[in-house]
Amino acid sequence: LAKTTQPISMDSYEGQEVNITCSHNNIATNDYITWYQQFPSQGPRFIIQGYKTKVTNEVASLFIPADRKSSTLSLPRVSLSDTAVYYCLGHGSGNTGKLIFGQGTTLQVKP
Amino acid sequence: NAGVMQNPRHLVRRRGQEARLRCSPVKGHSHVYWYRQLPEEGLKFMVYLQKENIIDESGMPKERFSAEFPKEGPSILRIQQVVRGDSAAYFCASSSPDTQYFGPGTRLTVL
Repeated sequence: LAKTTQPISMDSYEGQEVNITCSHNNIATNDYITWYQQFPSQGPRFIIQGYKTKVTNEVASLFIPADRKSSTLSLPRVSLSDTAVYYCLGHGSGNTGKLIFGQGTTLQVKP
Repeated sequence: NAGVMQNPRHLVRRRGQEARLRCSPVKGHSHVYWYRQLPEEGLKFMVYLQKENIIDESGMPKERFSAEFPKEGPSILRIQQVVRGDSAAYFCASSSPDTQYFGPGTRLTVL
């Protein structure tokens, strides 16, 4: 399981693009990178997952450079409702067991 | 949350009582994970189960805690003789091969 490092907190304003970078220097060759969002008193919500290059869905984009030692979650035009904790995780493919959650990044979006 | 159900959502117990937390995975998922989250902390892995098998219980406390995932019915996390330190949010996840989807959690309060 890859050990990940991400900023503890970030501030942004409504309408801005937010980029949260995660470092995972010891990621294994076959590991995926997955991002979750968690609101207070709720379970983590899957945002996006990738292996390499760029992945985009209706919520976010995920950029993974060729060396895969880091990844960047990009949230376009954030709103107040995007205020949450964002977790980056590296993990094996298939049903390979536990996820190791760090402290995550607390994103505060201001009006 | 792709259909993981947990109940009850809130559970209050007095010290020494038993707590039973239930988790119904996404239909068709046969892998279930339990995590615990203390206030202001990230999620901590507890146990990983397949139908009728415990695959990894490395995060379970040695005493008072047990988990099962029977052939029929929900997965159960059981905490015997609860203590105040067991007060936390307990989240269940089920997985498609590469992604875990989390339920809304059960908030256990021990008085």
